Amino acid sequence: EIVMTQSPATLSVSPGERGTLSCRASQSVSSNLAWYQQKPGQAPRLLIYGTSTRATNIPARFSGSGSGTEFTLTISSLQSEDFAVYYCQQYSKWPPAFGQGTKVEIK
Amino acid sequence: EVQLLESGGGFVQFGGSLRLSCAASGFTFSNYAMSWVRQAPGKGLEWVSAISGGGDGTNYADSVEGRFTISRDNSKNTLYLQMISLRDADTAVYYCAKDRVSCSSATCYPDVFDLWGQGTTVIVSS
Repeated sequence: EIVMTQSPATLSVSPGERGTLSCRASQSVSSNLAWYQQKPGQAPRLLIYGTSTRATNIPARFSGSGSGTEFTLTISSLQSEDFAVYYCQQYSKWPPAFGQGTKVEIK
Repeated sequence: EVQLLESGGGFVQFGGSLRLSCAASGFTFSNYAMSWVRQAPGKGLEWVSAISGGGDGTNYADSVEGRFTISRDNSKNTLYLQMISLRDADTAVYYCAKDRVSCSSATCYPDVFDLWGQGTTVIVSS
C-alpha cells in the first residue's frame, strides 16, 4: 500500500504571494498524481491530474510538477478564494490513497 | 445538470447497519467506475470502495473489507454502499465520486475523481 505524505501541514501565505505545497509517495507512482482543493463544508474539487494537467475550469495560477515520489503544487499568486485545504492523491496502484492535507491560511 | 446526490446517512448504533445511496445524473452512469470516499470529523480523505461501470468488479479498503458492500443499479443510475457491523471509526461524511476516465470492464485502473456529491453524514454511536 502506497502512503502519501504532505508538507507542510499548514502554510501561511499573504494574498498575492506564491504558495508551494509538497507531496511525497512511499514508492514511485510515476505521473499518477492528482491534487484536490477542499473548502469548509464542501466536497473536494479536482484541480490537477497526471501530475501537471489542470482539470476543467481550473485557473492557470495552479500548476503541478514532479514525478516518481516527489510532487509539488504551486499557486502562483494566492487569491482570497484559494485559502483552503489541499490534498494529493496517488492513483498508480490499488488502493488509491490521499495525503493528510495541507491547509493554506491567510498570513 | 451533471451531479451526484447522496442519501441514507444518519445515526446508527455500534454494530448496526446502514445503506447509503448516490443518485447520478447528467452523464452515462454505466460508463464510469464509481467510488465511495469518506472523511472523519476534522480529518482527511479516505478512499473506501470502488465498483466498475458494469458492476462486476469491486475493490475495498482493508478497513472496511468484509463489512461494506458496494453495488450499483445502472437502470436507476444509482450507486449503493451497504454497511454492517459499524464501528466508531466509521463515523464520517461519505462522498460518492465519479472516475474521470470511462471504464466499463471488470478490472479498471484506479483513477482520479472529477465529480463528487455533497456528502452524507454517518454517525456511529456507542
